[in-house]
Amino acid sequence: DTGVSQNPRHKITKRGQNVTFRCDPISEHNRLYWYRQTLGQGPEFLTYFQNEAQLEKSRLLSDRFSAERPKGSFSTLEIQRTEQGDSAMYLCASSLSAASYEQYFGPGTRLTVT
Amino acid sequence: AQSVTQLDSQVPVFEEAPVELRCNYSSSVSVYLFWYVQYPNQGLQLLLKYLSGSTLVKGINGFEAEFNKSQTSFHLRKPSVHISDTAEYFCAVSDLAGSARQLTFGSGTQLTVLP
Repeated sequence: DTGVSQNPRHKITKRGQNVTFRCDPISEHNRLYWYRQTLGQGPEFLTYFQNEAQLEKSRLLSDRFSAERPKGSFSTLEIQRTEQGDSAMYLCASSLSAASYEQYFGPGTRLTVT
Repeated sequence: AQSVTQLDSQVPVFEEAPVELRCNYSSSVSVYLFWYVQYPNQGLQLLLKYLSGSTLVKGINGFEAEFNKSQTSFHLRKPSVHISDTAEYFCAVSDLAGSARQLTFGSGTQLTVLP
């Protein structure tokens, strides 16, 4: 069990550019979650997957945000036309199954939009 | 919908002293409760959870929490803190009604242990 990994750990981009983050969950976990954490706040839920199916995406912050989980393994979160307000830590978590309430978090990707 | 309030944004305490970090929640449905710890530049680590059963829950690193349904609280305690406990602590809830199991977090409490 190597834990949840996220890449890159840090990303600096200019306003208007697109960025993509990757999350690799714990290998046998079929649930995957994305959260956003801004400075001084707790993580905020964005979306989640059960295997390759995205079951909730209404909490994605705008239509510039999208997520995928092809083949039910790793996931990517893309932000198009980044804005300064997108600067935050993006956290990924995984859990064993739909019945599990325990989520395991990755170290996060810190995005800075200049 | 649920909400979580962590009443103290910062708690300084001397090493070996006891500490309590307060958490209150609001929900129209039953919830499960969690405390997570976040060290600098790291992800969140689960400290303890309350799902059912005894209202006093013991977790890792000597922490414990007590679920109080009437006061809708889930305060975190440790009888004697160490310098290494310095970190941000988050209280979170997950409602039993939905299938998403997503966590709703409080805004966090920065615990600073002073020598």
